[in-house]
Amino acid sequence: GAVVSQHPSWVICKSGTSVKIECRSLDFQATTMFWYRQFPKQSLMLMATSNEGSKATYEQGVEKDKFLINHASLTLSTLTVTSAHPEDSSFYICSASFLGSEQYFGPGTRLTVT
Amino acid sequence: RKEVEQDPGPFNVPEGATVAFNCTYSNSASQSFFWYRQDCRKEPKLLMSVYSSGNEDGRFTAQLNRASQYISLLIRDSKLSDSATYLCVVYRSGGSYIPTFGRGTSLIVHP
Repeated sequence: GAVVSQHPSWVICKSGTSVKIECRSLDFQATTMFWYRQFPKQSLMLMATSNEGSKATYEQGVEKDKFLINHASLTLSTLTVTSAHPEDSSFYICSASFLGSEQYFGPGTRLTVT
Repeated sequence: RKEVEQDPGPFNVPEGATVAFNCTYSNSASQSFFWYRQDCRKEPKLLMSVYSSGNEDGRFTAQLNRASQYISLLIRDSKLSDSATYLCVVYRSGGSYIPTFGRGTSLIVHP
């Protein structure tokens, strides 16, 4: 299957700082990338959908100014958590798909805000 | 009513048992359905697609019931390695291809 990488795999940051998470599709061109957040023992919650070259579409309740998404190329999307707070601590997972085919998930990034 | 609902479990079964999970969805126009498996602290991995005619992959059988708006996953001859959380995924219709995940059903297979 296709490979999607995420970096970093885990990060600890202080409250008020910003954190950037990268999502790369390594062996295919991802026309769409999805960003999810998962709290312990909860389901994946879709945060936003991004298509290459256009603005991301955010799900209801997700602050677009706090979670900045950039999808500048067919192989890279980034999520920046701005002014992070402890309640933003979570498991962030990206996935990528090509023209609506199945999604391939990255290994996730565990964010801890102290 | 939630868009996609699953019994969170856990389902605790012995090795060799047969176990079945259901997942109900609220949008009758939903188009595509999948089962994913997620191990603790790992990303979800596609287990199988769900077709209207039903489909089988080894010990796993997935079925779709459009009239009652649910999908099912049957696991036969459970192995210890089947222990995981099983997520159903339903795609919204209308060409946007946006997925909605159920909260997952936890399966524990014990010796």
